Amino acid sequence: EVQLVESGGGLVQPGGSLKVSCAASGFTFSGSDMHWVRQASGKGLEWVGHIRSKANSYATAYAASVKGRFTISRDDSKNTAFLQMNSLKIEDTAVYFCIRYGSSGNYYAFDIWGQGTMVTVSS
Amino acid sequence: DIQMTQSPSSLSASVGDRVTITCGASQSISRYLNWYQQKPGKAPKLLIYAASNLQSGVPARFSGSGSGTDFTLTISSLQPEDFATYYCQQSYTTPTFGGGTKVEI
Repeated sequence: EVQLVESGGGLVQPGGSLKVSCAASGFTFSGSDMHWVRQASGKGLEWVGHIRSKANSYATAYAASVKGRFTISRDDSKNTAFLQMNSLKIEDTAVYFCIRYGSSGNYYAFDIWGQGTMVTVSS
Repeated sequence: DIQMTQSPSSLSASVGDRVTITCGASQSISRYLNWYQQKPGKAPKLLIYAASNLQSGVPARFSGSGSGTDFTLTISSLQPEDFATYYCQQSYTTPTFGGGTKVEI
C-alpha cells in the first residue's frame, strides 16, 4: 500500500525544538522529492519546505517564515523524511503534512499525502 | 513568490448543481496548476494536475481548464461527497496555494 505516516508531533514550549518523522512505503522513496506543508486550525495550506532526491543532490528549500529555524532531511535507507523544528513560535502551531511531489512528464503535484501530525507551540 | 487567488472563498450549492471555482496566478504559470479537495480532519487529495488532467480514480464530473494566469475547476453535477474545501496550487516555481473555496450545502 502506498502511504506516508508522520509521527513525532506534540506540545512544545515557545523557543523549543521538535523533530517529526515521515515513514514512506509502497513507492520508490529514494527517487522522490519530499515536501512538508502545514495547516493552522481553520486556515489554508502553507508550503514549509522540501528536500529533493539524491539525483538532485538532496537540495533543500524553505519558506521565508521558517528559514533558519527548520531543517528537512532524509534517510533513504529507512525510507524516512524528517522535519527538525527549532526556535518554535506560537504561530508554528499547525498540522504538518509530509507529501510526495510526484511527476508526470514536466508537471509536478502533491500526489501522496500523509495523515498529518499536530504540532502545538504553547506555554 | 507567485500569489494564487481563489474565488469565491465559499459558496452554497445543492446536489446536482454545476459548480465553478476560479483560481488566478499573479504571473503566467503556463499549465502548472493543480487542484485538491480537502474534507474536515483529512489530508488534501489531488484531483487535477497540469490544469486539466484528471488524477487516477477521480470521478469524471471533475474537470479543470485554463492556462497562463486564469484557471477553473468545474464540478458538473455536485454529489453529497463533494462538499469540501478546494485548493489550487501552482507548481511553476516554489509551490504556493490559493486560499481555498469551501463548498457548502
